[in-house]
Amino acid sequence: EAQVTQNPRYLITVTGKKLTVTCSQNMNHEYMSWYRQDPGLGLRQIYYSMNVEVTDKGDVPEGYKVSRKEKRNFPLILESPSPNQTSLYFCASNTPLGNEQFFGPGTRLTVL
Amino acid sequence: DAKTTQPNSMESNEEEPVHLPCNHSTISGTDYIHWYRQLPSQGPEYVIHGLTSNVNNRMASLAIAEDRKSSTLILHRATLRDAAVYYCILRDLVDTGGFKTIFGAGTRLFVKA
Repeated sequence: EAQVTQNPRYLITVTGKKLTVTCSQNMNHEYMSWYRQDPGLGLRQIYYSMNVEVTDKGDVPEGYKVSRKEKRNFPLILESPSPNQTSLYFCASNTPLGNEQFFGPGTRLTVL
Repeated sequence: DAKTTQPNSMESNEEEPVHLPCNHSTISGTDYIHWYRQLPSQGPEYVIHGLTSNVNNRMASLAIAEDRKSSTLILHRATLRDAAVYYCILRDLVDTGGFKTIFGAGTRLFVKA
């Protein structure tokens, strides 16, 4: 089954404790993205990647890092999480000319 | 980046058609119009997209104004399962440097039984 998976689905952590949210897709898509969703603000793009080792900032990249060492994986790294990064995070993938983005199920992160 | 404007919420009766409007007055010639929806507790899912001509698929129809400054997503017979937030998005598929995507706040559709 074609899908985007994220882990963990739920995470509660404390300020400053480094964490990684993993994202994996099995569709051989070149493009992958990370979004955060906050009440009243909709979905905002954090980072995106056009292919292995090629990444670029979205609208809200501050406080986040990403890497793309393999085509299928696109982890989101929070080196020093802060409470304002409490949010619902979505990973997505698509082909370069693909009109459909496939979204993962989401990761709900709480930073205390 | 071109932005879209949608009503905050709309209400519909079950089994009736629903017309969800979207304004995108600053759309560029290479921007495709996409619609996604997000059901409660799920990630967004693709609904439909178009460039200039009206489009139909199994989920919905997309009507695009002649000047492309607005579009309308049409659900022909709303069901309770269609209750979701609907996002109208512009994506420049010619801009291979990015695929930068801007989601607005969307329209929350309520469907009454």
